[in-house]
Amino acid sequence: AQKITQTQPGMFVQEKEAVTLDCTYDTSDPSYGLFWYKQPSSGEMIFLIYQGSYDQQNATEGRYSLNFQKARKSANLVISASQLGDSAMYFCAMREWSGAGSYQLTFGKGTKLSVIP
Amino acid sequence: KAGVTQTPRYLIKTRGQQVTLSCSPISGHRSVSWYQQTPGQGLQFLFEYFSETQRNKGNFPGRFSGRQFSNSRSEMNVSTLELGDSALYLCASSRDSHSGNTIYFGEGSWLTVV
Repeated sequence: AQKITQTQPGMFVQEKEAVTLDCTYDTSDPSYGLFWYKQPSSGEMIFLIYQGSYDQQNATEGRYSLNFQKARKSANLVISASQLGDSAMYFCAMREWSGAGSYQLTFGKGTKLSVIP
Repeated sequence: KAGVTQTPRYLIKTRGQQVTLSCSPISGHRSVSWYQQTPGQGLQFLFEYFSETQRNKGNFPGRFSGRQFSNSRSEMNVSTLELGDSALYLCASSRDSHSGNTIYFGEGSWLTVV
């Protein structure tokens, strides 16, 4: 079973409008972290925002906010005032702890966002 | 503040050869992990190193190996390359194993096996 599900393979948004990218996750671990990354065609994975499982408030970073609904296991990324430079792949990832204090990120399949002028 | 640096950025190898990729983490970051990204399989975890010790390994054959040096720089090696090893290899660095929100990636190394 997939641990991270991104149901939107591709999305279009008009420049200056807001857009929500969906992410649902599955874990039985009470301690986990959720990340969103942006990957332009160059390949670099750019960190956008983080939400810890115990954080009470939704995370915000500039134009990015994370709509965290713990009971629904949902961690949607909201981008406000879209810009042309926001066109890229967006990945949702979950950090889970494994033995010996290590961790690993599990990624969704990504959503390709295209911003239309 | 310098980010995560990966070298080389692009390389082409022949089947059967081996390849070594390098990753220099952000200064002060002691945890380095590696991921393989392919169109078919997406992003998959390879391994994680902390203070020169491999603490976790993903589901990859023994041809994939790595190490971490005392300065936290890490290398990964793939021996006996196969066509299916063609991928973007991404390195991530983190301050320590329990840091909350600082997992940063490098630009990646694009490997093509012909």
